[in-house]
Amino acid sequence: EAGVAQSPRYKIIEKRQSVAFWCNPISGHATLYWYQQILGQGPKLLIQFQNNGVVDDSQLPKDRFSAERLKGVDSTLKIQPAKLEDSAVYLCASSPRAQETQYFGPGTRLLVL
Amino acid sequence: AQRVTQPEKLLSVFKGAPVELKCNYSYSGSPELFWYVQYSRQRLQLLLRHISRESIKGFTADLNKGETSFHLKKPFAQEEDSAMYYCALASGSARQLTFGSGTQLTVLP
Repeated sequence: EAGVAQSPRYKIIEKRQSVAFWCNPISGHATLYWYQQILGQGPKLLIQFQNNGVVDDSQLPKDRFSAERLKGVDSTLKIQPAKLEDSAVYLCASSPRAQETQYFGPGTRLLVL
Repeated sequence: AQRVTQPEKLLSVFKGAPVELKCNYSYSGSPELFWYVQYSRQRLQLLLRHISRESIKGFTADLNKGETSFHLKKPFAQEEDSAMYYCALASGSARQLTFGSGTQLTVLP
């Protein structure tokens, strides 16, 4: 079975620019997660989707971050405008249902200059 | 609020030696704990979960509610165990994961 796919794998932008990340979960997985992992820290959940609805976005900085999963499959995470402190690896994960094992993608490494 | 603490950022042991990676948590509800592992150039993946009470790749972890700990143990470390290990706690109605900051384990030959 194909794993979680993410693109791009690397992105370098200047502060105040915009950036978008894409995630394709494992086929049939209803739950999708976006995590932010800053260097030296563990992943931090930004947003959780169940199908195309948001389950939890309490840690998403909504003034600059947005995410959508319009058809309950692929998802995009956007940062607009980016700040230096947004430099991190952005991980996407999916699971068949909310309480089941999460499968992680390779991540997108973002550097904001 | 829930919190997961991994006190050691780096841990080195020799091949064949026992290894213990420490994890402590704080959570007011009923805890569900996990260990995730990330080998070099690979994705983060689940190693084991406390409710399964199973041994994976020779690793075990016991939930100690009195000490609020979930330490990961292996009696004889192998070089292929070298990786980054994260302890995680599931909480909330949707069992969202809170991760610790990770421990980089190096098993020396």
